[in-house]
Amino acid sequence: KAGVTQTPRYLIKTRGQQVTLSCSPISGHRSVSWYQQTPGQGLQFLFEYFSETQRNKGNFPGRFSGRQFSNSRSEMNVSTLELGDSALYLCASSPEGGKRAKNIQYFGAGTRLSVL
Amino acid sequence: AQTVTQSQPEMSVQEAETVTLSCTYDTSESDYYLFWYKQPPSRQMILVIRQEAYKQQNATENRFSVNFQKAAKSFSLKISDSQLGDAAMYFCAFIQTDSWGKLQFGAGTQVVVTP
Repeated sequence: KAGVTQTPRYLIKTRGQQVTLSCSPISGHRSVSWYQQTPGQGLQFLFEYFSETQRNKGNFPGRFSGRQFSNSRSEMNVSTLELGDSALYLCASSPEGGKRAKNIQYFGAGTRLSVL
Repeated sequence: AQTVTQSQPEMSVQEAETVTLSCTYDTSESDYYLFWYKQPPSRQMILVIRQEAYKQQNATENRFSVNFQKAAKSFSLKISDSQLGDAAMYFCAFIQTDSWGKLQFGAGTQVVVTP
């Protein structure tokens, strides 16, 4: 089975621009979570999607948004980029979202975003 | 609110020796999962081991084992017979069972393996 695929791997943008990152989960996985990783703040949860619905959201400004498609692929968008948005963005997928689910998240290799 | 604390920024171990990484967490919930993830220089997060809070038995995966002390809210990882390939950043992570997709991570411990 193919793993979680994130594209692109690297991005360079300038302040004020917007960016869209893509994540294809493991086949059959319906839950997709996004994380931001920076040296200063570590790993922080952005949001989670399941069956095209956002079920959970972290403490990020509204400039960060996401969506999920019917095939479980997910995108996240950051508008009006700021220097502080430079980070590694990680996507993870899980098999199921039930209360007694395994809750194991499998991660992609990430997209490294640099904002100049 | 839940927090995950890893107090060791870096740990060094010789090949074939054993190293233990510490992790404490804070929660008022009783139903949750704990994980150790490994992030090598490639930045790919790899699941090392998982522990369900309702299970008293400590999880083991080959050379990796945990010491789960629920009352003390402690979850340490022991790496036995360390190998050069074990060199990586190790993250302790917590998730409430009904917290959809929200893993909370510690700051990480860098493991250095010397020949």
